[in-house]
Amino acid sequence: RKEVEQDPGPFNVPEGATVAFNCTYSNSASQSFFWYRQDCRKEPKLLMSVYSSGNEDGRFTAQLNRASQYISLLIRDSKLSDSATYLCVVNIPDMRFGAGTRLTVKP
Amino acid sequence: GAVVSQHPSWVICKSGTSVKIECRSLDFQATTMFWYRQFPKQSLMLMATSNEGSKATYEQGVEKDKFLINHASLTLSTLTVTSAHPEDSSFYICSARVPPAGLAGSYNEQFFGPGTRLTVL
Repeated sequence: RKEVEQDPGPFNVPEGATVAFNCTYSNSASQSFFWYRQDCRKEPKLLMSVYSSGNEDGRFTAQLNRASQYISLLIRDSKLSDSATYLCVVNIPDMRFGAGTRLTVKP
Repeated sequence: GAVVSQHPSWVICKSGTSVKIECRSLDFQATTMFWYRQFPKQSLMLMATSNEGSKATYEQGVEKDKFLINHASLTLSTLTVTSAHPEDSSFYICSARVPPAGLAGSYNEQFFGPGTRLTVL
């Protein structure tokens, strides 16, 4: 089993849509969790950390379920600029990346 | 957030030559840096963990004699791809972890360099 597994995607959605990404991790000792965004041919950039209580940053909501070892990211009111690959990252303590889910938001 | 730089941003070399990539933390000291490789349409794969003043820890399947890592100071780690071959062509990204006494609110976060695109002909 992979350490971090994500929805394979790709997701193609219209502007304004709500889209959800899921991620599971195998190591119950994982300490911290993140969602990163990676644009084509660029380095990953931190989108948001994920906390047990759930956290929201504007149109983005992240949730963590430690019992199920499951992380999610919800994007509301999708914008064209949200098109990117979203990486689920688990700190074990070294960072382990999911394969990423490609999102394309279309006009 | 912290800034990590990489140099060069891209490099094209002939098969058999060696290529050195530098990773620098510009506004903080990083005792630990990481080197990743990313092939097209694949995720980042950790190659090695670089610790200042000690030998790097390599992931399984990564040849330590081919990918030489030197972390001589708290702000600089280098990756040298020795005797590069076309299959080594990839996007190499470094990251640096903020130490416990580092930037407020950033502990345990890693900051990534912009990456180096290596093409071996």
